[in-house]
Amino acid sequence: AQTVTQSQPEMSVQEAETVTLSCTYDTSESNYYLFWYKQPPSRQMILVIRQEAYKQQNATENRFSVNFQKAAKSFSLKISDSQLGDTAMYFCAFMKTTDSWGKLQFGAGTQVVVTP
Amino acid sequence: EAGVVQSPRYKIIEKKQPVAFWCNPISGHNTLYWYRQNLGQGPELLIRYENEEAVDDSQLPKDRFSAERLKGVDSTLKIQPAELGDSAVYLCASSKEDRLGGEQYFGPGTRLTVT
Repeated sequence: AQTVTQSQPEMSVQEAETVTLSCTYDTSESNYYLFWYKQPPSRQMILVIRQEAYKQQNATENRFSVNFQKAAKSFSLKISDSQLGDTAMYFCAFMKTTDSWGKLQFGAGTQVVVTP
Repeated sequence: EAGVVQSPRYKIIEKKQPVAFWCNPISGHNTLYWYRQNLGQGPELLIRYENEEAVDDSQLPKDRFSAERLKGVDSTLKIQPAELGDSAVYLCASSKEDRLGGEQYFGPGTRLTVT
């Protein structure tokens, strides 16, 4: 079974600063997908970034980037130049590519608060 | 393009009552998911449909939960009878079947409170 662990319940950051969210996971799979989803107070989950495990290069989407360390089973998210609109819960998620593919397994989430 | 639509947004019922949630996925998305999100936790998959077929319902408590996706489009999730522990947000998501590892688009969810 796969587990996803987010050890930081809450992170606070000032506008324009950088914050890094940690995520570790446990799996025996060799290929899989990792995701970061954002859930603002409106509750609508929005995909922030996706990483395929067989790709060495870290994914980047504008101000969001990941540090994927496959051997360490670590998948951290860096938010650069933080904006007030980044305030939300951030969930790390894992997806297998074999049986039960399509099933996202989420961590418990990290609440990010961006302050002026 | 319209997103995933869910209704109602909020529902308060007494325990032992039945309740139903409705989801309309994004047009053209063959795969539909129902997740349950307990307070302070990440969502957990209840059931996944590919078209009208439930291909993964291993996490669905079948004694009181049921789901259907007639004609492979809209879906309904039902609880009967509801228990206090069913209080949670129920999220629906959809994706294109042919995109392994592709993005799942989520609806705003239904917040259920069982009293």
